Amino acid sequence: DAGVIQSPRHEVTEMGQEVTLRCKPISGHNSLFWYRQTMMRGLELLIYFNNNVPIDDSGMPEDRFSAKMPNASFSTLKIQPSEPRDSAVYFCASSRGQGGDSPLHFGNGTRLTVT
Amino acid sequence: GNSVTQMEGPVTLSEEAFLTINCTYTATGYPSLFWYVQYPGEGLQLLLKATKADDKGSNKGFEATYRKETTSFHLEKGSVQVSDSAVYFCALSENSGYALNFGKGTSLLVTP
Repeated sequence: DAGVIQSPRHEVTEMGQEVTLRCKPISGHNSLFWYRQTMMRGLELLIYFNNNVPIDDSGMPEDRFSAKMPNASFSTLKIQPSEPRDSAVYFCASSRGQGGDSPLHFGNGTRLTVT
Repeated sequence: GNSVTQMEGPVTLSEEAFLTINCTYTATGYPSLFWYVQYPGEGLQLLLKATKADDKGSNKGFEATYRKETTSFHLEKGSVQVSDSAVYFCALSENSGYALNFGKGTSLLVTP
């Protein structure tokens, strides 16, 4: 079991540039989550997919953020254009099933710095 | 709505000291409760969980008991080690839902 794989580990970009974060969930998991972690706000759920379908995107900050899951083994989170306030650690997590007590398996995160 | 409140850190302890990290919750239904741990540079990992009142979750010497009467799920360990230094997150989810509500996290530093 390779775990949830995220890339890149670190991303430094200039304001206005497009940023794409990638995630490969654990095989067999049908729920996928994108979280953002900052010192000020802690962990925030951005979007939740179940069986590749976006179920809840109410946490996506604004139209600059978009997420896709074209198949069961890949998801992307895109920010266009990026702003300094988007600087954070972005985590992808997956779980088996969609019940609330299914444990989440997190990737190691992507640390995004927007200058 | 649902929410989790945990004690602010950082918490600094000497090795072999007793650890308590407080967590209280607000929920409309009957949530499941979790403790996750985040080691430096890594994602969160499930430490333990409890799915109903009076259940005790335990793992790696850590314990937490689901107390419905006090809406609490405090994390305890009898003797901490340097390797326990990490950030600990309390979380809840409604069993009919999918999302976890996380607390802000409590940083623990254990010194030799």
